[in-house]
Amino acid sequence: SAVISQKPSRDICQRGTSLTIQCQVDSQVTMMFWYRQQPGQSLTLIATANQGSEATYESGFVIDKFPISRPNLTFSTLTVSNMSPEDSSIYLCSVEAGSYYGYTFGSGTRLTVV
Amino acid sequence: KQEVTQIPAALSVPEGENLVLNCSFTDSAIYNLQWFRQDPGKGLTSLLLIQSSQREQTSGRLNASLDKSSGRSTLYIAASQPGDSATYLCAVTTSGTYKYIFGTGTRLKVLA
Repeated sequence: SAVISQKPSRDICQRGTSLTIQCQVDSQVTMMFWYRQQPGQSLTLIATANQGSEATYESGFVIDKFPISRPNLTFSTLTVSNMSPEDSSIYLCSVEAGSYYGYTFGSGTRLTVV
Repeated sequence: KQEVTQIPAALSVPEGENLVLNCSFTDSAIYNLQWFRQDPGKGLTSLLLIQSSQREQTSGRLNASLDKSSGRSTLYIAASQPGDSATYLCAVTTSGTYKYIFGTGTRLKVLA
């Protein structure tokens, strides 16, 4: 099954700044998924990133706020732009690890905006 | 629109008890259902995957069942241990999509 390396694991950022989160997969995958988990909540899908095309965003999420790059089949970044305290969450990337394994997740980035 | 609910929201039990966690979904046309474990502030660890054609999966002390017609899955944990303390999440993909819809989670605490 695929292994994802996600970084940073946590950060504390000033409001108005941006943070870029990276996910590296140890195998080539077609789609990578980015999720947000607000405090005390379950996971919500932000967008799906395909290599060579623009990411597909879910309702309530926009590219200007959460730009995503997918330069190749093993790597993706999510940027949280112009941050406010409401952006404080855990951000996770995910890939399908194969039909036998289902989906696997990165270790998450715990973001606190002050 | 698929909605996933987990009951109970929180559970505290003494060590050694057998547990049942419940997951309900509104659209029975699912592709697969996966159970995850999440430790505080961390990512998700996959526990069990049940594909739509399967009725149950087992791994060690864990057993997950799936009843598509009633829109339910249960995660059975045998002989619970303090190390089982975590939040348990179920997630489903609906046939024809690749997106996971997550349940609300069950926060489990096993007391020594």
